[in-house]
Amino acid sequence: EPEVTQTPSHQVTQMGQEVILRCVPISNHLYFYWYRQILGQKVEFLVSFYNNEISEKSEIFDDQFSVERPDGSNFTLKIRSTKLEDSAMYFCASRSTGVYEQYFGPGTRLTVT
Amino acid sequence: QQQVKQSPQSLIVQKGGISIINCAYENTAFDYFPWYQQFPGKGPALLIAIRPDVSEKKEGRFTISFNKSAKQFSLHIMDSQPGDSATYFCAATDRGSTLGRLYFGRGTQLTVWP
Repeated sequence: EPEVTQTPSHQVTQMGQEVILRCVPISNHLYFYWYRQILGQKVEFLVSFYNNEISEKSEIFDDQFSVERPDGSNFTLKIRSTKLEDSAMYFCASRSTGVYEQYFGPGTRLTVT
Repeated sequence: QQQVKQSPQSLIVQKGGISIINCAYENTAFDYFPWYQQFPGKGPALLIAIRPDVSEKKEGRFTISFNKSAKQFSLHIMDSQPGDSATYFCAATDRGSTLGRLYFGRGTQLTVWP
């Protein structure tokens, strides 16, 4: 069964450093998303991406965040200068055209020290 | 503003019992309501979803009940098993206005005792 994959599973970085979180969505999906989940809290939307451009972003997704689809398979989330409060699980999700079921990856745990 | 409210925060059920988790929403434009199951350290896994043109949807032991007038929907887990112990999130989206951005409830931690 196709699945969304994410790397790395755990990333530790120092405050102020740049991190790139990588995702490989399900192959025939065209809609991509990033969500985050601070420990013990609900899942929060960050950004949606379609046709090589951002469709919607939340108030969390400020100028420190960017997304990119550098090739036909990868979808990345970059945080330019990490803050302590960026520590969270980051989930990538994707869905196909015409349906609304979003499939989530296993997540990347980002720890900012 | 909390778009989707979920209760209870935690739930303890005996094996074989019925687990019921409730959600309420405010935005009448929401028209797709999925439930996700999450085990510790894993991503949310889609469990079951409903659209507002039906009042109930059943898949195996899992049933969603939907009350459009009350703007409420609930997940019922029949014959609950220890393997069902996980965190459950309800969610909602407006399929027409966005690319399906999901608004999640705060989650319910379900524990099923053997």
